[in-house]
Amino acid sequence: DIQMTQSPSTLSASVGDRVTITCRASQSISRWLAWYQQKPGKAPKLLIYEASNLESGVPSRFSGSGSGTEFTLTISSLQPDDFATYYCQQYNSWTFGQGTKVEIK
Amino acid sequence: EVQLVQSGAEVKKPGATVKISCMFFGYLFSDDYIHWVQQAPGKGLEWMGRVNPEDDETIYAEKFQGRVTITADTSRDTVYMELTSLTSEDTAVYFCATLVGGGGGFDYWGQGTLVTVSS
Repeated sequence: DIQMTQSPSTLSASVGDRVTITCRASQSISRWLAWYQQKPGKAPKLLIYEASNLESGVPSRFSGSGSGTEFTLTISSLQPDDFATYYCQQYNSWTFGQGTKVEIK
Repeated sequence: EVQLVQSGAEVKKPGATVKISCMFFGYLFSDDYIHWVQQAPGKGLEWMGRVNPEDDETIYAEKFQGRVTITADTSRDTVYMELTSLTSEDTAVYFCATLVGGGGGFDYWGQGTLVTVSS
């Protein structure tokens, strides 16, 4: 099975900060990676697919990069609505990372 | 508008079986795989398995193999997830999800179904 490891597990930041979350795969997944945002009590929301493609309707402050085994999600200027938990997912065999909670500093 | 609507919350005793449904609206759901994802309280997302409604082919995560069955009823536009031999560790919200837009990942999700396992 392909294991996905995210870091950090928790991130404290302020509105306006640039935030970066890393996701590493245990083997190469090419660019078959998605990023999600989840808020309490809600289903996850797709932000990025194929490592760097922005899902329709997602603000342009979100961006993704990487290929192979190392990937990043960047929020260029954190907004109040962005405090949430973020997950990466490889969709060769669909496993998720353990999540990164973005908290208010 | 595409919607995935799941059945309501369930309370089960240890050792019981639960079967949750996910009904599709506004989408020909036989076009792509339908997946199920588990989220235990305060925990992350765990992929459980998927079904191809065209041919009923299924793939399950190793953790759930032998206890989970995912089926599709194309006449009812509904997918089911059955989990057997429940323990307290199965207390979780279960989501169905799929890809409609053709990009990647899961772009549509059900609202989630809470299953509580308690004696």
